[in-house]
Amino acid sequence: GDSVTQMEGPVTLSEEAFLTINCTYTATGYPSLFWYVQYPGEGLQLLLKATKADDKGSNKGFEATYRKETTSFHLEKGSVQVSDSAVYFCALTPTTDYKLSFGAGTTVTVRA
Amino acid sequence: NAGVTQTPKFRVLKTGQSMTLLCAQDMNHEYMYWYRQDPGMGLRLIHYSVGEGTTAKGEVPDGYNVSRLKKQNFLLGLESAAPSQTSVYFCASRMTSGDTQYFGPGTRLTVL
Repeated sequence: GDSVTQMEGPVTLSEEAFLTINCTYTATGYPSLFWYVQYPGEGLQLLLKATKADDKGSNKGFEATYRKETTSFHLEKGSVQVSDSAVYFCALTPTTDYKLSFGAGTTVTVRA
Repeated sequence: NAGVTQTPKFRVLKTGQSMTLLCAQDMNHEYMYWYRQDPGMGLRLIHYSVGEGTTAKGEVPDGYNVSRLKKQNFLLGLESAAPSQTSVYFCASRMTSGDTQYFGPGTRLTVL
C-alpha cells in the first residue's frame, strides 16, 4: 500500500540555520504530495503541496520539489526562525483515492 | 467562516464510559475524516465519509462508530472507552474536486 517515510526527529537548530527534512514515499501512479505543519497546541495546517513530477511547492520560505525518480519530497528552508518551531508532517494522496497517508512527523525546535 | 470546528477540546473519561465527539464544517465540503494522533505514529485514519449518509472504515476503526446525518457534521462515537483510545483526535474535511484536507483544532481525550 501507499506509505510515507520521513526523517526522525527531534531536530534542534539555531535561528538562521538551514533546515532539511527528508521525506520519501511509496505509491503507485502519481500521488499528490503535501507538507503539513502543526504548531504547539494547534491542528494541522497545509504548508505546501505539489501535484506532479518536478513541481515545486513553496510557502513561508519553505520549499519542496516533487522528485519522481527518487520518490522524494524533501522540505527545505534556508533560514529558520523561532516561530518555525513545530511538528512537520509529510503526506500523500493517491490519484485514485481521497485518503491521506501521513509520515510519523518530525519535531523541529529552533533556538534563539 | 469558522472552517472546521471540534467539540469538546478536552475530555477525561473512565474506562467503559461512552462519549461522542462532534466535528462541524461550514465550507460545504463533501468529504470528512476522523484521525487519531499518537506520538511517533503520525495521524491514522479512523473513519471517513464521502457524503451525507455515508461512512467507511479507515485504518484503525475498531472501537469507534461514526455518523454523517447532516452534510456539515461528522460525529465520532466511543461506546465503551478503553485506555488505548487515549489520543488526540482530529477531524478534517475536503472538497470533492480538491486534494487538500482542512483540519480542526483537535480534541485531547484521556481514558483512565
